[in-house]
Formats: sequence, structure tokens, C-alpha cells
Amino acid sequence: EVQVVESGGGLVQPGGSLRLSCAASGFTVSSSYMNWVRQAPGKGLEWVSGLYIGGRTYYADSVKGRFTISRDNLKNTMYLQMNSLRVEDTGVYFCARDSVVTATPGGMDVWGPGTTVTVSS
Amino acid sequence: YELTQPPSVSVSPGQTARITCSGDALPKQYAYWYQQKSGQAPVLVIYEDSKRLSGIPERFSASSSGALATLTISGAQVEDEAAYYCSSTDSGGNHRVFGGGTKLTVL
Repeated sequence: EVQVVESGGGLVQPGGSLRLSCAASGFTVSSSYMNWVRQAPGKGLEWVSGLYIGGRTYYADSVKGRFTISRDNLKNTMYLQMNSLRVEDTGVYFCARDSVVTATPGGMDVWGPGTTVTVSS
Repeated sequence: YELTQPPSVSVSPGQTARITCSGDALPKQYAYWYQQKSGQAPVLVIYEDSKRLSGIPERFSASSSGALATLTISGAQVEDEAAYYCSSTDSGGNHRVFGGGTKLTVL
């Protein structure tokens, strides 16, 4: 079964760090377009970062310079290292894979249940 | 780069619901539509402007013309109550963006 599961969320003080993990099964992370998407409490979806085929990485302006996306091919796992966390980074963080059905990347059809990050003093 | 959606749409069961999404890059980039029910992860329902993902009911359809994409639910059901998000990419095709979401009420 194709699935992803996030972990690593928790409570952290402003200015602190967290590393989120996204463990994949049923497909290969290194051969896929992978994304992190977050959702603040009661708010909409926000694309955070992408790690695409060939190792290209992309970030939303709101996290650029603070977050780093990476992967471990042996563990088939993607990560999001989050530094200098702010209160506004609070939310549920989803890992999502781009669909392999589509002719072009852009639609995410495999989502994890999410992991909650709370930034508060 | 932004995608703009109405905050809410309300219809009675069996009626047609239409949710719009506007954005400057839509004439050149595909639109995608997600359904998110309360407390759950989003589900991709439409990709590449108008293609329905396998397993999605036929009452879900979509189109895109110029800077406007539209999701149509023909004969909306109570179980279709959810937040719907459009998504696309920036002009470079690498940064993804979501619309603000539309809460669909069916009652």
C-alpha cells in the first residue's frame, strides 16, 4: 500500500528547532515529487517546501532560510528541519507526494495524517 | 502569487454547487482541486484543470478558462460538505500555491 506517515511534531519555544520526518512505503521517495504542506489552526493549506526529482529543493518565502528539506534514500524518508521557529509556524504539517497519474507534477494524491507543531512560550 | 476563492458556498442537497478560483498564472498553469473534511487530510479530486482522479464520484467536474478555474458538484450530497481548495504553481512551475479555501455547506 502506498502511504506516508509523518512524525516529529511537538511543543517548542519560539526560536527553537524541530525535525519532522515523513516515512514512505509502497513507493520510492527519491523517484517522486515530495512536498510539505501545513495548516495553521482553523486556517487554510499552505505549501511549505518541495523536494523534487533530481534533488531540487524549493521553499515558500515564509520559511526560506529557516527550514531545510532533505531525504534519506536508504530509509526512504523525507525530512523537514525547522530552525528559528516562530509562533506563526504553529500548525499541522502534512507530507504529500505528487501523483504519478498526472502527466505533469502539481497534484498531490498521497497525504499523511499530519503531525502537529506548536510554537509557544 | 495568489489564488482567490470565495470563503463559503451553500446549496441544498441535489443542487449544483460551483466554487471558483482566480489567479493570474492560471492561463498558463494547471489548476488542481482538493477536498478536506474536518479533521482529515486533503484529498485530490481534480487534476490538470478538469481530470477526475480514479474513485472520485462523477458529480465532481471542473473547468478552467483564462484566469478562472471552476469546480462543479452536480447534485451535491450532504457528504460533500467540506472545505475545497484550489491549487496551482507559480509561473516557474516549481512553487506550489493554494487558494484560501471554500467551505461548502449542503443543507
